[in-house]
Amino acid sequence: AQSVTQLDSHVSVSEGTPVLLRCNYSSSYSPSLFWYVQHPNKGLQLLLKYTSAATLVKGINGFEAEFKKSETSFHLTKPSAHMSDAAEYFCVVRGGGADGLTFGKGTHLIIQP
Amino acid sequence: GAVVSQHPSWVICKSGTSVKIECRSLDFQATTMFWYRQFPKQSLMLMATSNEGSKATYEQGVEKDKFLINHASLTLSTLTVTSAHPEDSSFYICSAYAGLAVNSYNEQFFGPGTRLTVL
Repeated sequence: AQSVTQLDSHVSVSEGTPVLLRCNYSSSYSPSLFWYVQHPNKGLQLLLKYTSAATLVKGINGFEAEFKKSETSFHLTKPSAHMSDAAEYFCVVRGGGADGLTFGKGTHLIIQP
Repeated sequence: GAVVSQHPSWVICKSGTSVKIECRSLDFQATTMFWYRQFPKQSLMLMATSNEGSKATYEQGVEKDKFLINHASLTLSTLTVTSAHPEDSSFYICSAYAGLAVNSYNEQFFGPGTRLTVL
């Protein structure tokens, strides 16, 4: 069984300041971990994925995440928030390649001008 | 590349009727398609996994006789909500998986979703 816990339902930051969205996972084997973003009335977009090749994963739009096995965490960060980053973010875990995805409850990111 | 479409994008129906939602992979062949449901302000929940030419595998708590899934080809899967009731109102999202055939991410590609409202 596998699960993800997103520690914050809402995060509010000022434009230009760093973003940190926290995620902890639980898996009985080596998981694949993803971060997806969902903008209002738009489809899900993959930000980045942990492939086990490198613990620090760089994604699109300046986002990155670090896989820490000892802490079972996969937090998402961005050095400088932009207004267009306001959206819902989902941390996701998957077992095998053809397995369905298990989504966290989501973190709503608010960017203050 | 790797575009997934859903049709319709939104539908309103009367209680007791059936609604069919299509999910198509437009530029690749999907060995597996998944159906998710998202209630307002909630996360996505996996409903079922379908492989072309075989019966879908449903997650615990999902009624297979209510949510009929047909995966007739490598580019099309359909979800039919039978005898829909207001509690079935939700956002239904499909994803398509092609393994490493599309990119090295080995990822699922999501459709834009279908918003179902049952009156």
